[in-house]
Amino acid sequence: NAGVTQTPKFQVLKTGQSMTLQCAQDMNHNSMYWYRQDPGMGLRLIYYSASEGTTDKGEVPNGYNVSRLNKREFSLRLESAAPSQTSVYFCASSKVRDRGLHGELFFGEGSRLTVL
Amino acid sequence: AQTVTQSQPEMSVQEAETVTLSCTYDTSESDYYLFWYKQPPSRQMILVIRQEAYKQQNATENRFSVNFQKAAKSFSLKISDSQLGDAAMYFCAYRTPGADKLIFGTGTRLQVFP
Repeated sequence: NAGVTQTPKFQVLKTGQSMTLQCAQDMNHNSMYWYRQDPGMGLRLIYYSASEGTTDKGEVPNGYNVSRLNKREFSLRLESAAPSQTSVYFCASSKVRDRGLHGELFFGEGSRLTVL
Repeated sequence: AQTVTQSQPEMSVQEAETVTLSCTYDTSESDYYLFWYKQPPSRQMILVIRQEAYKQQNATENRFSVNFQKAAKSFSLKISDSQLGDAAMYFCAYRTPGADKLIFGTGTRLQVFP
């Protein structure tokens, strides 16, 4: 049972380079998320997708783009990486929407990105 | 705007003892969910316990229990009989029904000493 799978696990970029973080879930969840985790800041929401075909900005969207490719996949793209984007990135998914469901998030293992 | 505050950046406890991690939140909603997540050194985020705001009874999961004080907007996590494997970052999180996102606190790092 894979759950939420994100790739790559580690990546080093130079300033100005681009890259895409991939995420896939096999739990048939409607909603998917990208968070970044920085020391002392907790987890901050970058973008989320409540359903296939929709995406919305979170708390810290600048410098990122996302694509909800289908119900399973939600990618995060850095078009021109900056050192401030050095962080650990987490993809997550949840059922949400229906009253009575707790809406807990299921997380991937995280991707450590370093921008030099 | 809803916010979640964890005022203890670090806590420590001796093995077999009890420790309480604090969390407060700010919301004007009456119906919502609260969560505690654990993040061990492996980085994997693991759900520890959840609480529905409409339930007065405090949630428990084995050695983990919460003290939910709705009027005070407080949601603390108590870990009993602490084990070395409990050492981790602990995050408190908040969500309203139907909302599309969880709001997290900044986390508390728990150290467990033998």
